[in-house]
Amino acid sequence: NAGVTQTPKFQVLKTGQSMTLQCAQDMNHEYMSWYRQDPGMGLRLIHYSVGAGITDQGEVPNGYNVSRSTTEDFPLRLLSAAPSQTSVYFCATLRDRALGNTIYFGEGSWLTVV
Amino acid sequence: GQQVMQIPQYQHVQEGEDFTTYCNSSTTLSNIQWYKQRPGGHPVFLIQLVKSGEVKKQKRLTFQFGEAKKNSSLHITATQTTDVGTYFCAVSADRGSTLGRLYFGRGTQLTVWP
Repeated sequence: NAGVTQTPKFQVLKTGQSMTLQCAQDMNHEYMSWYRQDPGMGLRLIHYSVGAGITDQGEVPNGYNVSRSTTEDFPLRLLSAAPSQTSVYFCATLRDRALGNTIYFGEGSWLTVV
Repeated sequence: GQQVMQIPQYQHVQEGEDFTTYCNSSTTLSNIQWYKQRPGGHPVFLIQLVKSGEVKKQKRLTFQFGEAKKNSSLHITATQTTDVGTYFCAVSADRGSTLGRLYFGRGTQLTVWP
C-alpha cells in the first residue's frame, strides 16, 4: 500500500509506558485519521485532521494525542499505555473531496500492552 | 455520530455459493462505502455509492444503495476462495470539517470452503 506508511508494525508495551505510532503519506492528501480495530468492533475513529495544524477528536480519543505539523505526517501518541489499548491501529488518508471520499489505509500497527 | 448496522456478522459458504451482506441505517445517508479486509491485512476501498437506488457491479460483486438511502448491500455471485475476508460498510459525514470521519459497520466475516 505505497503512499501511507505506518511504523512500527508490531510493538509490545508495558502498562504505563508511552510511545508514538508514526504515519507518513506522500500523496499530498489533506485529510488524515487514526482508527483502531478490535475483534467484532469494526474500525473506530480515534483522531483526525483536515489539514496541517488542525486536529479533532473522533469516537474514542481518550488516552491518545495527535499533532499535524506537516501535511505528510500524523503521529499518534499513547500517553500512558493501558491493556485496553491493545489493538490494531490503522492510519488513513482521504483523497480530495472533489474526486470522491476514498480512504487509503496504511498496513496497520499491532500493539500489545501487557 | 451516525450508526450503521451490518449483518450477518459471520457467513460460511461453499465455494460457488452466493453471499450477501447488508448495512442498515436509521437515518438517511449521503453516501456509503464498502471495504474488504483480508485476514491480517488492511481495509481496501471497493466502491462508493451516492445516488438513491444506485447499483454498481465489479465482476462478481454487485453493490446496491436503497431508494431511501438508508440501506445498502454487497452481493457476491459464485464465491471463490479469494473472496475470503471481512467486508465492511462505512458512512461518512459529507460536509465541513467532519469530512473524513467514517463510521464503520462491524463487518461480515466471510469464510469460503473449497
